[in-house]
Amino acid sequence: GAVVSQHPSRVICKSGTSVKIECRSLDFQATTMFWYRQFPKKSLMLMATSNEGSKATYEQGVEKDKFLINHASLTLSTLTVTSAHPEDSSFYICSASFPGQGTYEQYFGPGTRLTVT
Amino acid sequence: GQQVMQIPQYQHVQEGEDFTTYCNSSTTLSNIQWYKQRPGGHPVFLIQLVKSGEVKKQKRLTFQFGEAKKNSSLHITATQTTDVGTYFCAVVRMDSSYKLIFGSGTRLLVRP
Repeated sequence: GAVVSQHPSRVICKSGTSVKIECRSLDFQATTMFWYRQFPKKSLMLMATSNEGSKATYEQGVEKDKFLINHASLTLSTLTVTSAHPEDSSFYICSASFPGQGTYEQYFGPGTRLTVT
Repeated sequence: GQQVMQIPQYQHVQEGEDFTTYCNSSTTLSNIQWYKQRPGGHPVFLIQLVKSGEVKKQKRLTFQFGEAKKNSSLHITATQTTDVGTYFCAVVRMDSSYKLIFGSGTRLLVRP
């Protein structure tokens, strides 16, 4: 099956600093990747859709200047949380899909737990 | 926008008991997917249903898609401690985005 990696798995940063999270598809090319945020015991909230070679599409209420997304290649998308604050502490998960197969299932990375102190 | 309601929010069962989680929509769905997320882990795809009245089985798991394609269920027979986790239903938006809209999830706890 398709494998998606995410790095780092955990990060602690100070308030006001920026943090970059990487999402890689290891054995397939992903023209589209998705970034989610998940609070404890809650569902996944889609933040944005990352499209290779074009600008990301953000969901309503998600600040694009705060959550910078770059999809520089068919196997790598990055999410940068800029000027992080404690309320940005959360579990961030990326996923990738290749709809060309017709199943539309998404393959999720292992997630990144961000703690902002 | 399209939404799916999922119940119950959580369920605590004795090992060996059955478990069912339900997803409901007010609109007709083109498809429904099910994912499992273990505690501390990430969602893992279980199955996709697309046909009206479809029933699929994976060992002790039975997935159903309603005749009207507005609801779906996941049933686990004789739960085991390895079944612990949160089960999410999700719907793929069949526009060019292929975004997933997740249900709220059902958290399953199994007493050994």
